[in-house]
Amino acid sequence: AAGVIQSPRHLIKEKRETATLKCYPIPRHDTVYWYQQGPGQDPQFLISFYEKMQSDKGSIPDRFSAQQFSDYHSELNMSSLELGDSALYFCASSRGMTGNEQYFGPGTRLTVT
Amino acid sequence: DQQVKQNSPSLSVQEGRISILNCDYTNSMFDYFLWYKKYPAEGPTFLISISSIKDKNEDGRFTVFLNKSAKHLSLHIVPSQPGDSAVYFCAASVIQGAQKLVFGQGTRLTINP
Repeated sequence: AAGVIQSPRHLIKEKRETATLKCYPIPRHDTVYWYQQGPGQDPQFLISFYEKMQSDKGSIPDRFSAQQFSDYHSELNMSSLELGDSALYFCASSRGMTGNEQYFGPGTRLTVT
Repeated sequence: DQQVKQNSPSLSVQEGRISILNCDYTNSMFDYFLWYKKYPAEGPTFLISISSIKDKNEDGRFTVFLNKSAKHLSLHIVPSQPGDSAVYFCAASVIQGAQKLVFGQGTRLTINP
């Protein structure tokens, strides 16, 4: 079965640079979620989109922005990167409003040096 | 403010025995609960979920029990297998709409042969 695809899997950036993470949801899933997991921590919700509209917002810094496109893929744009942004970034997708089983991608490991 | 708590960072169980992972929550608005399993360098894998209208849900070797009055849920794995060794996350959400997941800190389960 098709899963959530994230690219790139690994990314190394320097402080103050920008990064773009991409997420391709499971086919027919219309909702995308972004989570950040720091070392030894639980995943923290950043932002979500339902049918290309922002549906919820968590502890996402103002330096980050995201959007969902017409083909339902999503991109997380991160600017003025800081050392503390180093983390695993997971994308998850689900199908609409019924239930809430979110299916996660493999994650993008971002390292800021 | 940790709204979902897994108080046992680790658990070691003999192969073939029952593994019981526990989770407590504080937010009475949560009405949908999920368990995820996570291997290193992979995204969380959905295992099983339960809505607040039920007190038990079973899927193969996995059973989740929900005690709403105690704001407590548990995951039972019977019989435990070596491949079950992973980090298990409890997560909670509000079922209405596309809602974010709030995760516990995770419990590392080790199955000993």
